[in-house]
Amino acid sequence: GAGVSQSPSNKVTEKGKDVELRCDPISGHTALYWYRQSLGQGLEFLIYFQGNSAPDKSGLPSDRFSAERTGGSVSTLTIQRTQQEDSAVYLCASSPRFPDRGHGYTFGSGTRLTVV
Amino acid sequence: AQRVTQPEKLLSVFKGAPVELKCNYSYSGSPELFWYVQYSRQRLQLLLRHISRESIKGFTADLNKGETSFHLKKPFAQEEDSAMYYCALSSRGSTLGRLYFGRGTQLTVWP
Repeated sequence: GAGVSQSPSNKVTEKGKDVELRCDPISGHTALYWYRQSLGQGLEFLIYFQGNSAPDKSGLPSDRFSAERTGGSVSTLTIQRTQQEDSAVYLCASSPRFPDRGHGYTFGSGTRLTVV
Repeated sequence: AQRVTQPEKLLSVFKGAPVELKCNYSYSGSPELFWYVQYSRQRLQLLLRHISRESIKGFTADLNKGETSFHLKKPFAQEEDSAMYYCALSSRGSTLGRLYFGRGTQLTVWP
């Protein structure tokens, strides 16, 4: 596609429920990143994927968070048993090559998650 | 460990005034520094990077390794500069490609 597409754009869920957030990167981009944007907390790295290599999961805040990338393209971030502190905007970015060092990051518009 | 600090959460200036958004970093190696901007209801986008030594929309930023700073400056602010600005650092090593972001500075330029 023309840009990084994320869905849904907004998600309201009840505490304790599971949610899935989707990211469709730019076609041909080999690297995909997930960040979390919280009010006053800036951008927090969660996970990144490079092609078919094992992902760097070092930023995931707890084992309730997981992500996968199927076929080197679409990625799904799953949050199990959501908590109110999970409320944030979840941003996905992709880049055309790895290592990219930030030169070609293209961000999606994000998914605003609200846990009530 | 890598860290990016933006000491000002909010910054307000009047149109035509100079503006400086501060960014300090900590990193033992040779970093690459970036400024990203997010205008209201728009996506986060790259504004400039130190390696290019460029001026974008009148903004410049100089990497000062002695002071470990990468402040963003513009001599005459415009209303359309109002946005959230993030300073980011990229490092070598196992986390190649990963960006470390500061907490952001919300810039408001008053008419």
